[in-house]
Amino acid sequence: QAVVTQEPSLTVSPGGTVTLTCGSSTGTVTSGHYPYWFQQKPGQAPRTLFYDTNNKHSWTPARFSGSLLGGKAALTLSGAQPEDEAVYYCLISYSGVWVFGGGTKLTVL
Amino acid sequence: EVQLVQSGTEVKNPGESLKISCQGSGYSFDNYWIAWVRQMPGKGLEWMGIIYPRDSDTRYSPSFRGQVTISADKSISTAYLQWSTLKASDTGTYFCMRLYGSWLQFGDYWGQGTLVTVSS
Repeated sequence: QAVVTQEPSLTVSPGGTVTLTCGSSTGTVTSGHYPYWFQQKPGQAPRTLFYDTNNKHSWTPARFSGSLLGGKAALTLSGAQPEDEAVYYCLISYSGVWVFGGGTKLTVL
Repeated sequence: EVQLVQSGTEVKNPGESLKISCQGSGYSFDNYWIAWVRQMPGKGLEWMGIIYPRDSDTRYSPSFRGQVTISADKSISTAYLQWSTLKASDTGTYFCMRLYGSWLQFGDYWGQGTLVTVSS
């Protein structure tokens, strides 16, 4: 089974910008992998931020954006807020077999 | 309002069976796929499998095939995740999630999670 890789941890200053990435052991992540991004805070269920690479939900803060960058899926946070501290997971499809990344713990400090 | 409401916390002994549920409301249940996701204590999310309640088309992650059974009863808008013989390693929180689209590329709502503890 393919392995999806994410940075284990990242730190961003309040108001700063950070990019989280999601790579694949099979090579380049493309739109055909239909990448998702989820946010999970301690003790809570995950929340879907983006689907199909860069499509956001009504509840997704505007400071988040999804994209493909350098052969990976990417989640960029511009203007980090304390409430953005969470673990972020990507999920990608390998022809209908879905695999989560290990998650990135984002600290806002 | 779309909601996925999961059944409550379970504490079981190894070897016992278990069936947990995820009930959808506020939308046409049989038009959307339901995925099950495991989160072991302190760990990340793992994709277990999905079901399309309209025709019970079910697809398992290779890691979970044969370990669990996913089913649905569209008449009561409920999806299920079932174990016939629980192991301590099944301890974790299990989430359901709604998806749709030809490639399941549209996903949105999650259930609140069901904590399953398997211990003697």
